[in-house]
Amino acid sequence: DGGITQSPKYLFRKEGQNVTLSCEQNLNHDAMYWYRQDPGQGLRLIYYSQIVNDFQKGDIAEGYSVSREKKESFPLTVTSAQKNPTAFYLCASSTRFSGGNQPQHFGDGTRLSIL
Amino acid sequence: QKEVEQDPGPLSVPEGAIVSLNCTYSNSAFQYFMWYRQYSRKGPELLMYTYSSGNKEDGRFTAQVDKSSKYISLFIRDSQPSDSATYLCAMSEMRANSKLTFGKGITLSVRP
Repeated sequence: DGGITQSPKYLFRKEGQNVTLSCEQNLNHDAMYWYRQDPGQGLRLIYYSQIVNDFQKGDIAEGYSVSREKKESFPLTVTSAQKNPTAFYLCASSTRFSGGNQPQHFGDGTRLSIL
Repeated sequence: QKEVEQDPGPLSVPEGAIVSLNCTYSNSAFQYFMWYRQYSRKGPELLMYTYSSGNKEDGRFTAQVDKSSKYISLFIRDSQPSDSATYLCAMSEMRANSKLTFGKGITLSVRP
């Protein structure tokens, strides 16, 4: 079945540590996205990528980094510079980056917590 | 004023009730409107997708857009316990590089 796979489901970070969240899709979508979801805050866009080897900052990119070396994969690194990383992280993809014209499909998320 | 406002909830209804979920927005350029359903510890799944004004029906679900009032609604008829989830509205402009703007979500509980 086509879909988006995020791993791990749960992740714990120590102080000063970088951690990487995996996102893989087999939908042949060009565009991929990372969102952060906090209770009562809705979804906030961290980074997005319209095509391989290209990515753009979203609304809350500070303390995060991404890469897009393959069409299927869009990993997110939460760096030690992100002082409040505890959240539910969601990866999404769409056929292409074109706003609402291309609905986004989501993975089942990674819950990151601080040790 | 935030771009998208959604009733914070939570909302609890008995099984079989008609549920009305609403969002208001301030950006008159929004043209695409979506409703996502998110079960606990899962990612959002696209439930309804509409363009511009009007109604769209899919089974027990009806999405309604009133652009003159900048107001969208999702109606759930004959609500079931399996409808218990968080519902997020989302919307975007027509231009090619427009991003999705989400409401904060409302948690619905349908009591058996």
